[in-house]
Amino acid sequence: DTEVTQTPKHLVMGMTNKKSLKCEQHMGHRAMYWYKQKAKKPPELMFVYSYEKLSINESVPSRFSPECPNSSLLNLHLHALQPEDSALYLCASSQEWRGQSTGELFFGEGSRLTVL
Amino acid sequence: AQSVTQPDIHITVSEGASLELRCNYSYGATPYLFWYVQSPGQGLQLLLKYFSGDTLVQGIKGFEAEFKRSQSSFNLRKPSVHWSDAAEYFCAVGYILTGGGNKLTFGTGTQLKVEL
Repeated sequence: DTEVTQTPKHLVMGMTNKKSLKCEQHMGHRAMYWYKQKAKKPPELMFVYSYEKLSINESVPSRFSPECPNSSLLNLHLHALQPEDSALYLCASSQEWRGQSTGELFFGEGSRLTVL
Repeated sequence: AQSVTQPDIHITVSEGASLELRCNYSYGATPYLFWYVQSPGQGLQLLLKYFSGDTLVQGIKGFEAEFKRSQSSFNLRKPSVHWSDAAEYFCAVGYILTGGGNKLTFGTGTQLKVEL
């Protein structure tokens, strides 16, 4: 069973809607990630948070807005999306301590987003 | 920049046969290497990882992989495939981010089909 929980599992939204994806982990991990995966493609990194601070933004459009309210929670706020943003959005977490990261990411089952 | 190549897009094997999935990476330093498996519509599950030490690593579900620095390869093997192994397999290379977290770059994946 995955220990990274994502909600909702499925989301359909219009291009003018505002919605959010949520991710939660209780493994004590201090790094959390958002990946985007299109059909038949590998996951692509969007954002990395470490100790609740944004570590990396992979040039993601501003219509995607991440938020890390605490070390267990990660949100992805969606606004004015385009149909091409339809994809599986994966959240992940990893153990983090200075200079000794284990490197492995634990993934949730994803939120499948459809933009109409 | 790091990159991963999985030369086989699709592989079909008979149940009970042996399996080898190929992975080649490009990275300037000692890489962190991973194999993940993804069933349709699901998240990614870690099969095994290599950070250092013994170049033959054992993973879950009877999988193993061998790190060969001279060939820049990290091939995944299983001596006897089960029908439930049918899935998408991703090889990934990672490194620690200076701002925290880890960046994993995935290969394009290999779709495994198992014939009964």
